[in-house]
Amino acid sequence: DIQMTQSPSSLSASVGDRVTITCRASQSISSYLNWYQQKPGKAPKLLIYAASSLQSGVPSRFSGSGSGTDFTLTISSLQPEDFATYYCQQSYSTLGYTFGQGTKLEIK
Amino acid sequence: EVQLVESGGGLVQPGRSLRLSCAASGFTFDDYAMHWVRQAPGKGLEWVSGISWNSGSIGYADSVKGRFTISRDNAKNSLYLQMNSLRAEDTALYYCAKEATISAGWFDPWGQGTLVTVSS
Repeated sequence: DIQMTQSPSSLSASVGDRVTITCRASQSISSYLNWYQQKPGKAPKLLIYAASSLQSGVPSRFSGSGSGTDFTLTISSLQPEDFATYYCQQSYSTLGYTFGQGTKLEIK
Repeated sequence: EVQLVESGGGLVQPGRSLRLSCAASGFTFDDYAMHWVRQAPGKGLEWVSGISWNSGSIGYADSVKGRFTISRDNAKNSLYLQMNSLRAEDTALYYCAKEATISAGWFDPWGQGTLVTVSS
């Protein structure tokens, strides 16, 4: 199985900050990496797919990059509504998908 | 509007069975693979199982292999998860999710989930 490791597990930041979350795969997954945002009590929401493609309707302050084993999700200027938990997910292994453990983004 | 509505969750004793359902609407159901993803209380997301549009390809997480069975009825626009030999560690909110595009591997949207609690 492909293991996904996110860092950090939690992060405190302020409105307006630039934030980067990292996801590392246990083997190369090309660009088969996706990012989700989950707010308390809500279902996850797709933000980025195929490492760097922005899902329709997602603000442009969100961006993704990387390939192979190392990936990043960047929020260019944090907004109050961005405080949530973020998950990466590999889709390289068809019907054997795995998620990272999550990164909780909190208000400083 | 795409809608996914899960049902069938509840309190069940260890070793017993439960069948979850997901009713889909707002899209051509039989064009897309579908998945179950779970989230234990206070924990992260775990992909559980997925099924291709025609049920020809199916996959399971190692944690549920041999105990859970995914299926779909395209005529009824419905996805199912038969869960047998339930364990305490299967306690979670179970989400139904649609592959965002055909053969995508990423999920959008998700339902609101149905809670399964395994306890004596």
